[in-house]
Amino acid sequence: KNQVEQSPQSLIILEGKNCTLQCNYTVSPFSNLRWYKQDTGRGPVSLTIMTFSENTKSNGRYTATLDADTKQSSLHITASQLSDSASYICVVSAAGTGANNLFFGTGTRLTVIP
Amino acid sequence: GAGVSQSPRYKVTKRGQDVALRCDPISGHVSLYWYRQALGQGPEFLTYFNYEAQQDKSGLPNDRFSAERPEGSISTLTIQRTEQRDSAMYRCASSSRPLAAGELFFGEGSRLTVL
Repeated sequence: KNQVEQSPQSLIILEGKNCTLQCNYTVSPFSNLRWYKQDTGRGPVSLTIMTFSENTKSNGRYTATLDADTKQSSLHITASQLSDSASYICVVSAAGTGANNLFFGTGTRLTVIP
Repeated sequence: GAGVSQSPRYKVTKRGQDVALRCDPISGHVSLYWYRQALGQGPEFLTYFNYEAQQDKSGLPNDRFSAERPEGSISTLTIQRTEQRDSAMYRCASSSRPLAAGELFFGEGSRLTVL
């Protein structure tokens, strides 16, 4: 069964600190993995997208890693800011077969406090 | 358009009424997805289109829900005889490539409240 699991479910950190969010998946055959940031009440916005051959990708203070062998990904946030408070959603795409191929995690709710 | 546009942003309706939610994807985008999202949860797949073809509708909860994309651009999600349990945020997303192989862009959503 194609599943995406994220941990922790929620996280509170102090402004300026780093944090790492985890995503484990069982989606097969794998196509790509994306991380999205979703501010409260807004639609998800893409942070990174990685294919099988990529094991790290950065977008400013956000760095995503992918281990396709262990089917794990992480999103590392450096020097957190108050504006990083949001839900972070991991989405894994299966290689297309015609049926729905996008599988979503339930997200990690990050709160950055001053 | 510049982004994925959804309308209405907010819809309040009485139980038993029909509602139609509209999604206007980014111009030229091939694939279009509909999701339902509960508070604090990730998006739940409903259905998706490549061009005008509805490729997968397995996520539609029951036969009161239907979607169409007749010209491969604007899509409408219709809920007939609404029930209170249909209350949710309904989100649309589009991609420039089939099966969302490219970047997937989300709209701001339509918040449906059924009284």
